[in-house]
Amino acid sequence: NAGVTQTPKFQVLKTGQSMTLQCAQDMNHEYMSWYRQDPGMGLRLIHYSVGAGITDQGEVPNGYNVSRSTTEDFPLRLLSAAPSQTSVYFCASSYSTDSRNVLTFGAGSRLTVL
Amino acid sequence: AQSVTQPDIHITVSEGASLELRCNYSYGATPYLFWYVQSPGQGLQLLLKYFSGDTLVQGIKGFEAEFKRSQSSFNLRKPSVHWSDAAEYFCAVGARYKLSFGAGTTVTVRA
Repeated sequence: NAGVTQTPKFQVLKTGQSMTLQCAQDMNHEYMSWYRQDPGMGLRLIHYSVGAGITDQGEVPNGYNVSRSTTEDFPLRLLSAAPSQTSVYFCASSYSTDSRNVLTFGAGSRLTVL
Repeated sequence: AQSVTQPDIHITVSEGASLELRCNYSYGATPYLFWYVQSPGQGLQLLLKYFSGDTLVQGIKGFEAEFKRSQSSFNLRKPSVHWSDAAEYFCAVGARYKLSFGAGTTVTVRA
C-alpha cells in the first residue's frame, strides 16, 4: 500500500550512541518532514525538505541531522543520543510545498534513550 | 511565526453527548487550518481543513469545525460522540512549508 514507512518502530539507545531513523514514501511527494511528539507539547517540527538535495531546520533541530538524496527517502540521524531525545518521531510527507497540502504521516518510531 | 493553543488538555464526554474542542491560532495572514486525530499507537489522520470560503467545514466521521477570524479560533464539534471517537485531537496551522501543531486534547468517552 502507498504511504509513509518508518523504521524501526521501537528503539532503545544508550546515551552517546548514534542511530538513524528511516523514512520512505512511495507517493512521489516533494515535501517531507520529521516531527517529534512529546506529552503536553504536541508535535514539533525538527527538519523538513522541499525536494531532493534541499533541507532546512524546523523548531527543534539541535542534535539531529537530515539529508535528502532521493525523492523517496528522508532519514533522520541522531549523532550522539541524549535522554532529552526520548520521544515518538513521526515522518510526514505531502505532494508539494503548498501549505494547503495535507500531510500523510507514518506510524511513528518510539525512541528511548537511557 | 504561527502558533496554536488548545486550552483543554483532557475532555471526558458521555457517549451520545456533543463534543466541542477549542483551538486558537496566531498568524499574521490568512491561515490554513487543520484538525488531525490520533488513535492510540497510530499516526495522525486528517479530520478536516479550512483554507478559505465557507467558515463552517465538514470533515470525516461526522466532525465539523467553524473558522472565526474575529476570535482567531477554529473549534471542532461533533453532535453525538461514539466510543470510537476516544483519541487525541490536534489543531494545526500551516504556513511557509511548516505545519505548527497545538499540544493536543485527549478525549475520553464514557459509556
